[in-house]
Amino acid sequence: GEDVEQSLFLSVREGDSSVINCTYTDSSSTYLYWYKQEPGAGLQLLTYIFSNMDMKQDQRLTVLLNKKDKHLSLRIADTQTGDSAIYFCAEGGSSASKIIFGSGTRLSIRP
Amino acid sequence: ETGVTQSPTHLIKTRGQQVTLRCSSQSGHNTVSWYQQALGQGPQFIFQYYREEENGRGNFPPRFSGLQFPNYSSELNVNALELDDSALYLCASSRTGTGNYGYTFGSGTRLTVV
Repeated sequence: GEDVEQSLFLSVREGDSSVINCTYTDSSSTYLYWYKQEPGAGLQLLTYIFSNMDMKQDQRLTVLLNKKDKHLSLRIADTQTGDSAIYFCAEGGSSASKIIFGSGTRLSIRP
Repeated sequence: ETGVTQSPTHLIKTRGQQVTLRCSSQSGHNTVSWYQQALGQGPQFIFQYYREEENGRGNFPPRFSGLQFPNYSSELNVNALELDDSALYLCASSRTGTGNYGYTFGSGTRLTVV
């Protein structure tokens, strides 16, 4: 079946790197995503990676994909207070079909 | 370029009632998907509409239904509301052929069933 799992909480010190991990089950997934949700807001697409890629970097964000282990990670460099949010890992197919989301990782930043 | 707008932002209904939620898709987008996000959970796919027809459905009962209009806006209808229907309902629009990375989400409608 389709399932996406991620840890519920992560606390990091301001200025450090944050690494959020995720595992998924659907090997046919074409896209893997990271979304950010701030309190009271909808979902903001942070970045995505095609399943035939190993890594994608976008400014402070680095996504690593291990397709063999079905493991996805998001690294946020120089974490700031504005990065406090819930981060969702998600997988999707090649067409405009449904996206399967994990339960989200709440990232909190300590001074 | 306008984003996805949803209305209303908040709603309180009584168990057994019916509710209609609305979504205006982003300019240039022709596909609308609806998701339910219960408190503390990730969004769950309800269904998707393309060319005014349902184009995929998640594990939701028939009392969840939808419409898409010629201008690509959409409605989500829920009949016989239950307490467990309390959630944030998110609408996402996309343009067919762009794959899922073209999704734009609205800010959602917070539905409370009492």
